[in-house]
Amino acid sequence: GNSVTQMEGPVTLSEEAFLTINCTYTATGYPSLFWYVQYPGEGLQLLLKATKADDKGSNKGFEATYRKETTSFHLEKGSVQVSDSAVYFCALSDAGGGYNKLIFGAGTRLAVHP
Amino acid sequence: GAVVSQHPSWVICKSGTSVKIECRSLDFQATTMFWYRQFPKQSLMLMATSNEGSKATYEQGVEKDKFLINHASLTLSTLTVTSAHPEDSSFYICSANTGYAFFGQGTRLTVV
Repeated sequence: GNSVTQMEGPVTLSEEAFLTINCTYTATGYPSLFWYVQYPGEGLQLLLKATKADDKGSNKGFEATYRKETTSFHLEKGSVQVSDSAVYFCALSDAGGGYNKLIFGAGTRLAVHP
Repeated sequence: GAVVSQHPSWVICKSGTSVKIECRSLDFQATTMFWYRQFPKQSLMLMATSNEGSKATYEQGVEKDKFLINHASLTLSTLTVTSAHPEDSSFYICSANTGYAFFGQGTRLTVV
Protein backbone atom coordinates (compact mmCIF):
# COMPACT_ATOMS: atom_id res chain seq x y z
CA GLY A 1 0.00 0.00 0.00
CA ASN A 2 0.88 3.66 -0.10
CA SER A 3 3.21 4.99 2.59
CA VAL A 4 5.32 7.97 3.54
CA THR A 5 8.66 7.88 5.34
CA GLN A 6 10.14 10.94 6.99
CA MET A 7 13.46 11.48 8.68
CA GLU A 8 13.27 11.13 12.42
CA GLY A 9 13.51 14.17 14.58
CA PRO A 10 13.87 16.22 16.46
CA VAL A 11 15.87 18.52 14.27
CA THR A 12 17.54 21.28 16.22
CA LEU A 13 18.99 24.26 14.38
CA SER A 14 20.25 27.73 15.09
CA GLU A 15 18.45 30.67 13.56
CA GLU A 16 19.42 31.33 9.93
CA ALA A 17 20.66 27.78 9.41
CA PHE A 18 19.72 25.73 6.35
CA LEU A 19 16.95 23.18 6.79
CA THR A 20 16.34 19.89 5.03
CA ILE A 21 13.71 17.40 6.12
CA ASN A 22 13.76 14.24 4.04
CA CYS A 23 10.59 12.59 2.81
CA THR A 24 10.22 9.56 0.56
CA TYR A 25 7.08 7.82 -0.51
CA THR A 26 5.75 4.58 -1.88
CA ALA A 27 2.70 4.78 -4.07
CA THR A 28 1.06 3.32 -7.10
CA GLY A 29 0.17 5.73 -9.83
CA TYR A 30 0.84 9.44 -9.53
CA PRO A 31 0.06 10.80 -6.10
CA SER A 32 -0.10 14.41 -5.03
CA LEU A 33 2.40 15.34 -2.35
CA PHE A 34 2.05 17.76 0.53
CA TRP A 35 3.86 19.29 3.44
CA TYR A 36 1.77 20.27 6.45
CA VAL A 37 2.95 22.17 9.52
CA GLN A 38 1.55 21.87 13.02
CA TYR A 39 2.31 24.54 15.58
CA PRO A 40 1.99 23.63 19.27
CA GLY A 41 -1.61 22.98 20.30
CA GLU A 42 -2.98 23.66 16.83
CA GLY A 43 -4.28 21.70 13.87
CA LEU A 44 -2.46 21.21 10.63
CA GLN A 45 -1.87 23.92 8.07
CA LEU A 46 -1.03 23.24 4.47
CA LEU A 47 2.47 24.54 3.84
CA LEU A 48 2.99 23.57 0.21
CA LYS A 49 2.01 21.00 -2.37
CA ALA A 50 2.97 19.47 -5.70
CA THR A 51 0.71 17.47 -7.93
CA LYS A 52 3.01 16.05 -10.59
CA ALA A 53 6.61 15.08 -11.22
CA ASP A 54 9.15 17.93 -11.24
CA ASP A 55 6.65 20.37 -9.73
CA LYS A 56 8.14 22.60 -7.07
CA GLY A 57 5.90 23.71 -4.24
CA SER A 58 6.92 26.80 -2.30
CA ASN A 59 5.57 28.96 0.49
CA LYS A 60 7.01 31.19 3.23
CA GLY A 61 10.55 30.45 2.12
CA PHE A 62 10.02 26.69 2.19
CA GLU A 63 10.20 24.63 -0.95
CA ALA A 64 10.02 21.01 -2.04
CA THR A 65 10.36 19.37 -5.45
CA TYR A 66 8.38 16.30 -6.52
CA ARG A 67 11.05 13.82 -7.64
CA LYS A 68 9.48 10.78 -9.23
CA GLU A 69 12.79 9.11 -10.06
CA THR A 70 13.80 9.06 -6.39
CA THR A 71 10.21 9.03 -5.00
CA SER A 72 11.13 11.95 -2.79
CA PHE A 73 9.69 15.29 -1.69
CA HIS A 74 12.31 16.79 0.61
CA LEU A 75 11.47 20.03 2.41
CA GLU A 76 14.07 22.80 2.39
CA LYS A 77 14.46 26.33 3.68
CA GLY A 78 17.52 28.45 3.26
CA SER A 79 17.35 30.35 6.54
CA VAL A 80 15.13 29.19 9.37
CA GLN A 81 13.62 31.41 12.05
CA VAL A 82 12.58 30.70 15.62
CA SER A 83 8.97 31.02 14.47
CA ASP A 84 9.47 28.00 12.19
CA SER A 85 9.64 25.73 15.24
CA ALA A 86 6.85 23.22 14.72
CA VAL A 87 6.16 19.68 13.60
CA TYR A 88 6.28 19.09 9.86
CA PHE A 89 4.34 16.29 8.17
CA CYS A 90 4.86 14.95 4.70
CA ALA A 91 1.75 13.44 3.15
CA LEU A 92 0.44 11.97 -0.05
CA SER A 93 -2.93 11.57 -1.63
CA ASP A 94 -3.69 9.46 -4.61
CA ALA A 95 -5.95 10.38 -7.51
CA GLY A 96 -5.13 14.07 -7.35
CA GLY A 97 -5.86 14.55 -3.70
CA GLY A 98 -9.13 16.27 -4.30
CA TYR A 99 -11.38 14.17 -2.18
CA ASN A 100 -9.17 11.36 -1.09
CA LYS A 101 -7.73 10.64 2.29
CA LEU A 102 -4.21 11.64 3.15
CA ILE A 103 -1.47 9.30 4.25
CA PHE A 104 0.97 10.97 6.60
CA GLY A 105 4.54 10.42 7.54
CA ALA A 106 5.44 10.23 11.20
CA GLY A 107 6.23 13.94 11.43
CA THR A 108 9.50 15.70 12.14
CA ARG A 109 9.79 18.12 15.03
CA LEU A 110 11.90 21.19 14.28
CA ALA A 111 13.30 23.35 17.06
CA VAL A 112 15.04 26.58 16.08
CA HIS A 113 17.10 28.41 18.69
CA PRO A 114 18.13 32.08 18.59
CA GLY B 1 -8.10 29.77 1.84
CA ALA B 2 -10.90 27.49 2.88
CA VAL B 3 -11.76 27.45 6.57
CA VAL B 4 -12.63 24.42 8.62
CA SER B 5 -13.76 25.03 12.16
CA GLN B 6 -13.68 22.39 14.87
CA HIS B 7 -15.39 22.65 18.23
CA PRO B 8 -14.59 22.35 21.06
CA SER B 9 -10.84 22.89 20.99
CA TRP B 10 -10.49 20.97 24.22
CA VAL B 11 -12.75 18.95 26.50
CA ILE B 12 -12.38 17.04 29.73
CA CYS B 13 -14.95 14.41 30.51
CA LYS B 14 -15.56 11.67 33.03
CA SER B 15 -15.03 8.06 32.13
CA GLY B 16 -18.24 6.50 30.81
CA THR B 17 -19.72 9.67 29.38
CA SER B 18 -20.02 10.62 25.71
CA VAL B 19 -18.44 13.57 23.96
CA LYS B 20 -19.45 15.16 20.67
CA ILE B 21 -16.97 16.99 18.46
CA GLU B 22 -18.16 19.18 15.60
CA CYS B 23 -16.41 19.89 12.33
CA ARG B 24 -17.75 22.63 10.09
CA SER B 25 -16.72 23.85 6.67
CA LEU B 26 -17.36 27.59 6.88
CA ASP B 27 -17.11 28.79 3.33
CA PHE B 28 -17.59 25.73 1.18
CA GLN B 29 -19.67 22.58 0.99
CA ALA B 30 -18.00 19.31 1.82
CA THR B 31 -19.61 16.05 0.80
CA THR B 32 -16.69 14.23 2.37
CA MET B 33 -14.86 14.94 5.60
CA PHE B 34 -12.18 12.94 7.34
CA TRP B 35 -11.54 12.28 11.02
CA TYR B 36 -8.01 11.68 12.27
CA ARG B 37 -6.58 10.81 15.63
CA GLN B 38 -3.17 11.85 16.82
CA PHE B 39 -1.37 10.40 19.82
CA PRO B 40 1.32 12.46 21.54
CA LYS B 41 4.37 12.96 19.36
CA GLN B 42 2.95 10.67 16.70
CA SER B 43 1.49 11.12 13.27
CA LEU B 44 -2.14 11.39 12.30
CA MET B 45 -4.02 8.19 11.77
CA LEU B 46 -7.16 8.22 9.69
CA MET B 47 -10.13 6.95 11.67
CA ALA B 48 -12.96 7.29 9.22
CA THR B 49 -14.32 8.99 6.16
CA SER B 50 -17.53 10.88 6.75
CA ASN B 51 -19.94 10.96 3.82
CA GLU B 52 -22.83 13.41 3.66
CA GLY B 53 -26.14 11.61 3.71
CA SER B 54 -24.71 8.12 4.09
CA LYS B 55 -22.80 5.94 6.50
CA ALA B 56 -19.23 6.69 7.39
CA THR B 57 -16.43 4.43 6.22
CA TYR B 58 -14.20 3.30 9.06
CA GLU B 59 -10.58 2.29 8.86
CA GLN B 60 -9.56 -1.14 9.99
CA GLY B 61 -9.38 -1.42 13.75
CA VAL B 62 -11.62 1.57 14.48
CA GLU B 63 -14.77 0.68 16.40
CA LYS B 64 -17.73 2.22 14.62
CA ASP B 65 -19.97 1.80 17.65
CA LYS B 66 -17.41 3.61 19.75
CA PHE B 67 -16.81 6.49 17.40
CA LEU B 68 -20.13 7.55 15.93
CA ILE B 69 -19.97 9.79 12.91
CA ASN B 70 -22.85 11.80 11.53
CA HIS B 71 -22.65 13.95 8.41
CA ALA B 72 -26.14 15.33 8.18
CA SER B 73 -25.41 18.40 6.07
CA LEU B 74 -22.87 19.57 3.54
CA THR B 75 -21.14 21.76 6.11
CA LEU B 76 -21.22 19.72 9.30
CA SER B 77 -19.82 16.40 10.44
CA THR B 78 -19.84 15.25 14.06
CA LEU B 79 -17.77 12.65 15.86
CA THR B 80 -19.19 11.28 19.09
CA VAL B 81 -16.92 9.32 21.36
CA THR B 82 -19.31 7.06 23.27
CA SER B 83 -18.67 5.70 26.74
CA ALA B 84 -15.29 7.35 26.79
CA HIS B 85 -12.38 5.79 28.65
CA PRO B 86 -8.96 7.18 29.51
CA GLU B 87 -7.40 5.37 26.56
CA ASP B 88 -9.61 7.47 24.28
CA SER B 89 -7.75 10.58 25.41
CA SER B 90 -6.14 11.97 22.30
CA PHE B 91 -6.06 14.83 19.81
CA TYR B 92 -8.82 14.48 17.22
CA ILE B 93 -8.62 16.45 13.97
CA CYS B 94 -11.06 16.70 11.11
CA SER B 95 -10.42 17.74 7.56
CA ALA B 96 -12.56 18.71 4.62
CA ASN B 97 -11.40 18.77 1.05
CA THR B 98 -12.02 21.40 -1.53
CA GLY B 99 -9.35 20.64 -4.04
CA TYR B 100 -6.99 19.94 -1.15
CA ALA B 101 -7.42 19.05 2.48
CA PHE B 102 -8.00 21.78 5.02
CA PHE B 103 -7.88 20.90 8.68
CA GLY B 104 -9.73 22.04 11.73
CA GLN B 105 -7.75 23.25 14.71
CA GLY B 106 -8.21 19.95 16.50
CA THR B 107 -9.88 18.86 19.73
CA ARG B 108 -7.90 17.65 22.68
CA LEU B 109 -9.97 15.12 24.59
CA THR B 110 -8.99 14.13 28.09
CA VAL B 111 -10.98 11.40 29.81
CA VAL B 112 -10.56 11.24 33.57
